Amino acid sequence: QQKVQQSPESLTVSEGAMASLNCTFSDGTSNNFRWYRQHSAKGLEVLVSIFSDGEKEEGRFTAHLNRANLHVSLHIREPQPSDSAVYLCANSNTGYQNFYFGKGTSLTVIP
Amino acid sequence: EAAVTQSPRNKVAVTGGKVTLSCNQTNNHNNMYWYRQDTGHGLRLIHYSYGAGSTEKGDIPDGYKASRPSQENFSLILELATPSQTSVYFCASGDGGVSYEQYFGPGTRLTVL
Repeated sequence: QQKVQQSPESLTVSEGAMASLNCTFSDGTSNNFRWYRQHSAKGLEVLVSIFSDGEKEEGRFTAHLNRANLHVSLHIREPQPSDSAVYLCANSNTGYQNFYFGKGTSLTVIP
Repeated sequence: EAAVTQSPRNKVAVTGGKVTLSCNQTNNHNNMYWYRQDTGHGLRLIHYSYGAGSTEKGDIPDGYKASRPSQENFSLILELATPSQTSVYFCASGDGGVSYEQYFGPGTRLTVL
């Protein structure tokens, strides 16, 4: 079973400063990665899906994937207090139904 | 607007009782999923389905059954609820295409006393 580790567990940034979140995974054959945002007591909102090494940008959210290093990151440009939430990393092998999730990073953006 | 809805949103059950969690999707997706989310574990897959009439076991199926009577509906059934099944349960739907994107419902908070 794949293991997905997220760091840091919690992060506090000031409004407007870049926020960077990290995710490492154990299976080098994974080829399907995504970042979700989860506001308290709500469902998951997909932010970025990335399938190949390099960078993928969706608005203020940019994912960087390096499969050789088993690492995917999320960078949030100009974070706002409304971005305060738990961010979850997930990966799978395309063709399999099972997504493996990390435990999440709790982000707090202070005005 | 495409959506995944879950009912009930909150449920308190007694040990040994039967609990049914329901999920409905208007995405017209073939695939549906049930996860549970616990502190320290992230989300874990319980059961999933490829379409009406099909159910498959995920990573942690013990103690749970699933039912997919139609394209739109997917239920999770706890025949004999135990306190260890206290958790937040999420349903998701997906088209099973190249992206394997999954769209999540708002969650059901289940407490088993």
